[in-house]
Amino acid sequence: AQKVTQAQTEISVVEKEDVTLDCVYETRDTTYYLFWYKQPPSGELVFLIRRNSFDEQNEISGRYSWNFQKSTSSFNFTITASQVVDSAVYFCALSERTGGFKTIFGAGTRLFVKA
Amino acid sequence: SAVISQKPSRDICQRGTSLTIQCQVDSQVTMMFWYRQQPGQSLTLIATANQGSEATYESGFVIDKFPISRPNLTFSTLTVSNMSPEDSSIYLCSVKGLAGLDTQYFGPGTRLTVL
Repeated sequence: AQKVTQAQTEISVVEKEDVTLDCVYETRDTTYYLFWYKQPPSGELVFLIRRNSFDEQNEISGRYSWNFQKSTSSFNFTITASQVVDSAVYFCALSERTGGFKTIFGAGTRLFVKA
Repeated sequence: SAVISQKPSRDICQRGTSLTIQCQVDSQVTMMFWYRQQPGQSLTLIATANQGSEATYESGFVIDKFPISRPNLTFSTLTVSNMSPEDSSIYLCSVKGLAGLDTQYFGPGTRLTVL
């Protein structure tokens, strides 16, 4: 069965600090996708990144970077030089082939960035 | 990504009544899903909406309570039946298949309050 664990419930940082959001997943499938979504206070879910199980290359997009490590079943998300606009709930999610590619979500990490 | 719209965006309903939520996508998609997000919680998958056949429900969700229709590749409805205050949540429509099954996009959500 698929499972996503985000152990950090809330994180509070001061603007310009770097912050890493942890995500650990469980799956028995060899073909799966991992995602990060952002949910700002307005409520909409914003897609940030997708990674498939065959591509462990880390990715950087501006101030955002992602570290995918199959050996530890982790897909961590780092925000560099955080800004107040980064304040949101961040969800890690998993979609596996044997589950019909339906996506399940972790509990989410609420990030507060203070000015 | 597709443009996904939901109607209504919010509603306040009385206990014992039913509400039907509509989801419209501006292009054909392979898969459509309905999620529930209770206050301060993560997203929970209710069901996969199957075109022309009965929806596939997740554990804990039943058709009598959450009937779903999907008459074509761009439209689906979710009904919340015989509502109670515990049904107060955000209900989100989600789609996959715009360019493969690898990324899931979400509608803006319907915020339901049951008195």
